[in-house]
Amino acid sequence: EDQVTQSPEALRLQEGESSSLNCSYTVSGLRGLFWYRQDPGKGPEFLFTLYSAGEEKEKERLKATLTKKESFLHITAPKPEDSATYLCAVQAPSGGSYIPTFGRGTSLIVHP
Amino acid sequence: DTGVSQDPRHKITKRGQNVTFRCDPISEHNRLYWYRQTLGQGPEFLTYFQNEAQLEKSRLLSDRFSAERPKGSFSTLEIQRTEQGDSAMYLCASSSTLIAGVYNEQFFGPGTRLTVL
Repeated sequence: EDQVTQSPEALRLQEGESSSLNCSYTVSGLRGLFWYRQDPGKGPEFLFTLYSAGEEKEKERLKATLTKKESFLHITAPKPEDSATYLCAVQAPSGGSYIPTFGRGTSLIVHP
Repeated sequence: DTGVSQDPRHKITKRGQNVTFRCDPISEHNRLYWYRQTLGQGPEFLTYFQNEAQLEKSRLLSDRFSAERPKGSFSTLEIQRTEQGDSAMYLCASSSTLIAGVYNEQFFGPGTRLTVL
């Protein structure tokens, strides 16, 4: 059973067409939800950290929000350079420790 | 700040051989993580260190995998008797922890791509 589920798996947008990516989680005792961007053949690059429901963070065309069950990454007026895989990760209890669990990611392609 | 570095970037080996990867974290970061990532999947947690102590190891991790972080600086990940199923990208990440129980963002290295023939 996946603890972190991202949807959609893939998303194609036209330049300027705003949309949202979803990350739903089933863990309890959340100690942080993280968004990363990953370009092909590279390591993930940190975007946002959210710690509590209601929290929002923004950076350029990206805005991340958090509820008790899910997080959204809103992309406003995307550009082709926003094309990447976007990963969500949660830090939650596991056997007495807190380990990070990643979703499978959403592959975003923005067409010019 | 030179970021997280990993060496080698690519490794091709034959089944049954041993391989070792190195990770140099951001110097002031006390936590270091190892992940494995296959195509179309998110990074899968393998193990992590706080300073030189290995605090958690994935239950999915075979006994053929071992990691060390001597003196709390760089880390090595060794895979013994490699199998074709070990082919993947191996990622290292580091983070800082100033307050117990608070988990900060991780900074990832470029990864080591392992191909087992």
